[in-house]
Amino acid sequence: KAGVTQTPRYLIKTRGQQVTLSCSPISGHRSVSWYQQTPGQGLQFLFEYFSETQRNKGNFPGRFSGRQFSNSRSEMNVSTLELGDSALYLCASSPIGQAPNTEAFFGQGTRLTVV
Amino acid sequence: QQQVKQSPQSLIVQKGGISIINCAYENTAFDYFPWYQQFPGKGPALLIAIRPDVSEKKEGRFTISFNKSAKQFSLHIMDSQPGDSATYFCAASKLGNFNKFYFGSGTKLNVKP
Repeated sequence: KAGVTQTPRYLIKTRGQQVTLSCSPISGHRSVSWYQQTPGQGLQFLFEYFSETQRNKGNFPGRFSGRQFSNSRSEMNVSTLELGDSALYLCASSPIGQAPNTEAFFGQGTRLTVV
Repeated sequence: QQQVKQSPQSLIVQKGGISIINCAYENTAFDYFPWYQQFPGKGPALLIAIRPDVSEKKEGRFTISFNKSAKQFSLHIMDSQPGDSATYFCAASKLGNFNKFYFGSGTKLNVKP
């Protein structure tokens, strides 16, 4: 069974630009979460989607947004990029979206560098 | 405010030794506590997880000990191997938060051959 696939793996963007990251969950998984990982702040929750609906959101500015498609694939978008947005963005998928909390399986991440 | 505090920040253990990583939490509503292992350039991989209705869970060389009254849990890696050298994260989540995990700051483990 294929794991969580994130594309692209690496990305370099300029301040002020916007970026879209993609995540394909494990087949059959309907819940997708996004996390930001930085050396200073560690792993921080961005948002979670299930059946195309955002069910939970972390404490990030509105520049960070996401969506989920009917096939459970998800995208996250960051607009007006800032230097501080440089991070590893991780996507995680879970098998049973309606359970309170279940195992989450992470992809390899997208390394975003803002210059 | 850090919801989950993890220590130590780094750990050096000899091959065959026991690695112990500790985590503490404040929110008594947390009811699911996973541990993740992350190698450089990779995403975190689920290692083992526990719920507060048990005090210990063992999977191979990995054991979670859970102390509900002290609001602490720890990961023990028995017979540590150089291949275990990685960064370990503890995490916690609560009912109804749909996989919103609060992660510890991570422990970089180095197992010396």
